[in-house]
Amino acid sequence: DTAVSQTPKYLVTQMGNDKSIKCEQNLGHDTMYWYKQDSKKFLKIMFSYNNKELIINETVPNRFSPKSPDKAHLNLHINSLELGDSAVYFCASNSGTSQETQYFGPGTRLLVL
Amino acid sequence: LAKTTQPISMDSYEGQEVNITCSHNNIATNDYITWYQQFPSQGPRFIIQGYKTKVTNEVASLFIPADRKSSTLSLPRVSLSDTAVYYCLVGEKAAGNKLTFGGGTRVLVKP
Repeated sequence: DTAVSQTPKYLVTQMGNDKSIKCEQNLGHDTMYWYKQDSKKFLKIMFSYNNKELIINETVPNRFSPKSPDKAHLNLHINSLELGDSAVYFCASNSGTSQETQYFGPGTRLLVL
Repeated sequence: LAKTTQPISMDSYEGQEVNITCSHNNIATNDYITWYQQFPSQGPRFIIQGYKTKVTNEVASLFIPADRKSSTLSLPRVSLSDTAVYYCLVGEKAAGNKLTFGGGTRVLVKP
């Protein structure tokens, strides 16, 4: 039973395309996150949702739009993909406080050509 | 923001103890210190968390001095499978649920 799952695992696409990454957690957590890990392995938070409500929105281009249909799902839609968007995107979840362990998904490796 | 600083990399050998020290001079009163482990091609995984003094679990120990301006993750008797990147994080409760990951420490365990 996968706690936090992401699809797809790999995504190769052309510049200018629009793509979505899906995330689901079966842990009953209230809070979900999207992180971006670049080629230097720095992991940066992008968004956080608590019970379908956006609570953290870092300085991310508005081409990135998260959507949470319910508290078990947090999808990431990216418009007009650029070369610099190539990275590994991780979804995570926890119970909702910063001291609580975050559970990460396996990551989606996005390559923009 | 409570920024963390840790060594970029460390090499060790199987069976040795590995100690990774993280500096967090601006840690706030309500902040906890958390360590995550990341294997290649996987998401980070929680290892241990503490507030002060010493915390031990089946995987590691975490030593936190009284001033809490640093912490040391101790991995006893490492094996090849402990080769990973280890991240030190400080919880930013005032900023909501945001965790700030630094560059991490790449630990390479050699046979």
